[in-house]
Amino acid sequence: LAKTTQPISMDSYEGQEVNITCSHNNIATNDYITWYQQFPSQGPRFIIQGYKTKVTNEVASLFIPADRKSSTLSLPRVSLSDTAVYYCLVGAGGQNFVFGPGTRLSVLP
Amino acid sequence: GAVVSQHPSWVICKSGTSVKIECRSLDFQATTMFWYRQFPKQSLMLMATSNEGSKATYEQGVEKDKFLINHASLTLSTLTVTSAHPEDSSFYICSARDGLGQVNSPLHFGNGTRLTVT
Repeated sequence: LAKTTQPISMDSYEGQEVNITCSHNNIATNDYITWYQQFPSQGPRFIIQGYKTKVTNEVASLFIPADRKSSTLSLPRVSLSDTAVYYCLVGAGGQNFVFGPGTRLSVLP
Repeated sequence: GAVVSQHPSWVICKSGTSVKIECRSLDFQATTMFWYRQFPKQSLMLMATSNEGSKATYEQGVEKDKFLINHASLTLSTLTVTSAHPEDSSFYICSARDGLGQVNSPLHFGNGTRLTVT
């Protein structure tokens, strides 16, 4: 299973764009990159998934360079409600996913 | 979207008793479900992989006789914490993937169960 490394914490202000980068140097050919958001006392919530290049949905964008050894989750114009822990997971279908420590994002007013 | 329902959301039990937690996939079939445990301010720790119709696979260090897992149907997995002790107090979370979906369809998580053992 590809190990991931993320910053432990980040601070931002309301209205700013936040970029969280995840390193996964030993990602395998079949692995996808998936990001989850977790609020206190709740289960993680799927944000976005990608394999290469760029993926965008209604809440975030995911940038993946050609070598796929890292990925960046981009949250446009964050609000206070985006304060949460963000996890980057790497793996292929059928695998059990191992969570890293995640990135604790604090959005300040 | 795919929904995973977990019940109860919280439970308080006395030391020595057993507690059952249910995890249901509401609108999809899940041949595999995963059970995690999360302590305060920590990440999720995978406890076991629940396979429909067969025995669960436990992670190293997780006692299979203490954390009984049953996956009797394609939409239901249960975790029973037997002879619970205060150190078993934690946040338990299940997840599942649509077994009929794309090979890399993401995991969907329940909202967790807060277990407090007194």
